[in-house]
Amino acid sequence: QQQVKQSPQSLIVQKGGISIINCAYENTAFDYFPWYQQFPGKGPALLIAIRPDVSEKKEGRFTISFNKSAKQFSLHIMDSQPGDSATYFCAARYPYSGAGSYQLTFGKGTKLSVIP
Amino acid sequence: SAVISQKPSRDICQRGTSLTIQCQVDSQVTMMFWYRQQPGQSLTLIATANQGSEATYESGFVIDKFPISRPNLTFSTLTVSNMSPEDSSIYLCSVEGTRYGYTFGSGTRLTVV
Repeated sequence: QQQVKQSPQSLIVQKGGISIINCAYENTAFDYFPWYQQFPGKGPALLIAIRPDVSEKKEGRFTISFNKSAKQFSLHIMDSQPGDSATYFCAARYPYSGAGSYQLTFGKGTKLSVIP
Repeated sequence: SAVISQKPSRDICQRGTSLTIQCQVDSQVTMMFWYRQQPGQSLTLIATANQGSEATYESGFVIDKFPISRPNLTFSTLTVSNMSPEDSSIYLCSVEGTRYGYTFGSGTRLTVV
């Protein structure tokens, strides 16, 4: 059972355009929603994250929009650049269970290509 | 945030053999996580490693296949045992960071032939 659904699987955007990646979740117990950026041959790197009590968070050209009632969140990349070409993963964190630790559940990823 | 060094960065192994992957962190951390990322796929948590106790494995992963050691607060190893081509993946270790995020190593790209 996939707990975080991500779309689209791939995305091609012109340089200067807006890239939008969407994620939806089912479990209302998730308490933290990060986005990761992964370049080929590298591990994922935290890009930006949001908590469910906030509707929007912006860091530079990257914005997360969060809709708690719809159980959806999205990543917007403004003024997309060729250097943004990477795979992006949304994730959701399950609260500490006592048996282990916080656990992240990842979406399947979106391969973004920004063309000049 | 923590800096993670993973070794080896890649390897090609014969089926039936085992490979041990090392993960070194530049600061003490309580929990270390091991993930598998199959080609073109998302990340799947294998296990959580707490220093001084047995690792906690996720559904579908067992200790006999993926034994983990956690001898101190800065180091862990994951062994992929009795490998088959289906084990070809990127294996990543991760620790909880200071920005409420998780830091990942660069991964070990394993090919089993």
